[in-house]
Amino acid sequence: RKEVEQDPGPFNVPEGATVAFNCTYSNSASQSFFWYRQDCRKEPKLLMSVYSSGNEDGRFTAQLNRASQYISLLIRDSKLSDSATYLCVVNLLNSNSGYALNFGKGTSLLVTP
Amino acid sequence: DVKVTQSSRYLVKRTGEKVFLECVQDMDHENMFWYRQDPGLGLRLIYFSYDVKMKEKGDIPEGYSVSREKKERFSLILESASTNQTSMYLCASSGLGTLNTGELFFGEGSRLTVL
Repeated sequence: RKEVEQDPGPFNVPEGATVAFNCTYSNSASQSFFWYRQDCRKEPKLLMSVYSSGNEDGRFTAQLNRASQYISLLIRDSKLSDSATYLCVVNLLNSNSGYALNFGKGTSLLVTP
Repeated sequence: DVKVTQSSRYLVKRTGEKVFLECVQDMDHENMFWYRQDPGLGLRLIYFSYDVKMKEKGDIPEGYSVSREKKERFSLILESASTNQTSMYLCASSGLGTLNTGELFFGEGSRLTVL
């Protein structure tokens, strides 16, 4: 079982739509959670952290459900510029690396006019 | 503005060649990482370093080595390149407290093709 799993998509939505992505993680001892954004042919960049109480940054809302071991990202009023791949990142202990940040494979979003 | 610079954006090498990928960060970060990113496989950690002259294996270290002689520079070495090492290589850095902030700063990537 993969440690961090995401639906690869693509999610094709019209401008102005609301879209949500989920991500599940397998290790219940995971400590912290993040969403990264990666534009086509660009490097990943931190979009937002995910807090237990849920958090919002403009049109973006992130939520964590520890009991079910998933996190979500909600984008309201989608813009063309939101088109990108969204990577779910989980801080967990890795027996091989000992390092904690583990990336999902990403969910592709395409916002169309 | 923070900056992670990778020496080459595109490289084409032949099987068996030795390949050096260089990464420099100007943020005085302690931690540096090398990932490779492949379609359908996502980002996979090759090696990382918490300090000068220190290195730790990531999830897929086979066929790679690294060098960190100075704090700002982290090099990835392919001793004998093979076609299955054709990939996008991403260097990243972070300061102390990464586990809390989760913020890695990535370079623009080096796309390596091994023929």
